[in-house]
Amino acid sequence: DIQMTQSPSSLSASVGDRVTITCRASQSISSYLNWYQQKPGKAPKLLIYAASSLKSGVPSRFSGRGSRTDFTLTISSLQPEDFASYYCQQSYSTPWTFGQGTKVDVK
Amino acid sequence: EVQLVESGGGLVQPGRSLRLSCVGYGFTFDDYAMHWVRQAPGKGLEWVSGVSWNSDIIDYADSVKGRFTISRDNAKNSLFLEMNSLRAEDTALYYCAKVSHANYFYYYGLDVWGQGTTVTVSS
Repeated sequence: DIQMTQSPSSLSASVGDRVTITCRASQSISSYLNWYQQKPGKAPKLLIYAASSLKSGVPSRFSGRGSRTDFTLTISSLQPEDFASYYCQQSYSTPWTFGQGTKVDVK
Repeated sequence: EVQLVESGGGLVQPGRSLRLSCVGYGFTFDDYAMHWVRQAPGKGLEWVSGVSWNSDIIDYADSVKGRFTISRDNAKNSLFLEMNSLRAEDTALYYCAKVSHANYFYYYGLDVWGQGTTVTVSS
């Protein structure tokens, strides 16, 4: 199984900060990496698919980069509605696997 | 409006069975692969199972293989998860979700999620 390791597991930031979350795969997954945002009590929301493609309707302050084993999600200027948990997920092969999550909270 | 609505969760004793259902609205259900993802209380996301649009690809997490069965009825826009031999560690909120791109099982993410249905396994 492909293991997905996210870092950090949590971070504290302020509105306007640039935030970067890293996800590493235990083997190459090409560009088949997705990012989700989840707020408490809500279902996850797809932000980025195929490593760098922004889902329609997602603000352009979110961006994704990477390929093979190393990926990043960047929020260029953190907004109040962005305080949430973020998960990476590989869709290269089954079993699909998620990172353990990164919780972004208020500094 | 594109949406998924799950049902069938509840409290069940260890070793018993439960069947979850998910109905899709507002999109061409039989064009899309569908998946189940669960989230234990206070924990992260865990992929459970997926089925391609025409059911020719089906797969499961190792943790549920041999106990859970995924199926779909495209005529009724419905996805199912038959869960047998339930264990305490199966306690979670179960989401159904659709793949973002038609006719793909792999490669793309899950762009529409239901609200989830809670399964609690306890004596």
